[in-house]
Amino acid sequence: IQLTQSPSFLSASVGERVTITCRASQAIGSSFAWYQQKPGKAPRLLIYDVFQLDGGVPSRFSGSGSGTEFTLTITSLQPEDFATYYCQQLHLYPLTFGGGTKVEIK
Amino acid sequence: EVQLVQSGAEVKKPGESLRMSCQASGYTFDSYWIAWVRQLPGQGLEWVGIIYPRDSGVEYSPSMEGHVTISVDQSINTAYLKWNSLKASDSGIYYCARPSLPGVVNVLHKWGQGTVLTVSS
Repeated sequence: IQLTQSPSFLSASVGERVTITCRASQAIGSSFAWYQQKPGKAPRLLIYDVFQLDGGVPSRFSGSGSGTEFTLTITSLQPEDFATYYCQQLHLYPLTFGGGTKVEIK
Repeated sequence: EVQLVQSGAEVKKPGESLRMSCQASGYTFDSYWIAWVRQLPGQGLEWVGIIYPRDSGVEYSPSMEGHVTISVDQSINTAYLKWNSLKASDSGIYYCARPSLPGVVNVLHKWGQGTVLTVSS
């Protein structure tokens, strides 16, 4: 299953609303997650099962979607949110990741 | 506290062999799958494969199968990723990670710190 993230790069200001999309090449049910990765660090799970926030993840993060199109939204971007975001499907092996979206400061 | 501690950085030559490790602590090792994920320099995440320590059942990414071997040693709560013949294109960061729930392959909740592999002549 191929996952296509868009955009691959976005520049935004603190306080802005940001939306990242991930499209799957076939339907994947609710077996879908988002991760955040900062430079030099391991990825961190943000959202699982499409919209469930992992423990400690701020409520400004939200996930939605179904079938083949999924969205990560950050309402009011904070300085600590500047990072690269990856989607992952866990519906079928191999458990593929999207290509990533790098969020930088405008 | 759940921890995954990976072995240190490696510098190898093409054709050499390597086994890197991921030692788990703070939970029942054989109850959780362990995945390997790689990140090529400046690139995104790529799923390598996953192993269930209880029965050593393994699933590989088709792009990695035959080139790497994933194994475990239950006696020391350690998972391994092994190459018999490295290529320069294997250079990157390799992470081990554990799902959030026992016995199922689901989201990768706990990650190791990563092992940097450099393969160069």
